[in-house]
Amino acid sequence: GQQLNQSPQSMFIQEGEDVSMNCTSSSIFNTWLWYKQEPGEGPVLLIALYKAGELTSNGRLTAQFGITRKDSFLNISASIPSDVGIYFCAGRQADKLIFGTGTRLQVFP
Amino acid sequence: NAGVTQTPKFRVLKTGQSMTLLCAQDMNHEYMYWYRQDPGMGLRLIHYSVGEGTTAKGEVPDGYNVSRLKKQNFLLGLESAAPSQTSVYFCASSYIIDEQYFGPGTRLTVT
Repeated sequence: GQQLNQSPQSMFIQEGEDVSMNCTSSSIFNTWLWYKQEPGEGPVLLIALYKAGELTSNGRLTAQFGITRKDSFLNISASIPSDVGIYFCAGRQADKLIFGTGTRLQVFP
Repeated sequence: NAGVTQTPKFRVLKTGQSMTLLCAQDMNHEYMYWYRQDPGMGLRLIHYSVGEGTTAKGEVPDGYNVSRLKKQNFLLGLESAAPSQTSVYFCASSYIIDEQYFGPGTRLTVT
């Protein structure tokens, strides 16, 4: 089945650093989403993108919808310990979402 | 308002046994989904429902069945469990497809 490729697979950073991660697909999507999963819980929606080239922020998080519609990017500025978790991208395909493989983020004080 | 709840939280099965996972939501959502999460594989859609009485296959439906007899409940069945079905199972529901609300997960081990 189709899956979205995320990189990097994992990141170990120090508190205060900025973080960048991306998601790529061989198919075009008209909607890109970013979810975060904290340890022991289900994913929660962070940001939704609906237009190619769109740049959307949610606090310290900024996501971009790639102009080719085959990729998306997520940046986290000035990371804090509570940013720890797995970040998933997802593309909408008809009446369902296709999720990426995830980027695991660890933040050290 | 409990959101999405899943029963049970943990389960250990022997190969060949059957079980049913229950998902319940109190948000009056039309859409409900069952995913499995495996290390390095992200979330993969097993089955989903776009409304009461409807079901559809997702990416990895083999070995699973589902039913949506009531709008608020979505059941996932394993008729004959296999070790390859060891995973964490998440249920989700949504009003619009993009914003899915996930349950806390069920950790299933098949020995």
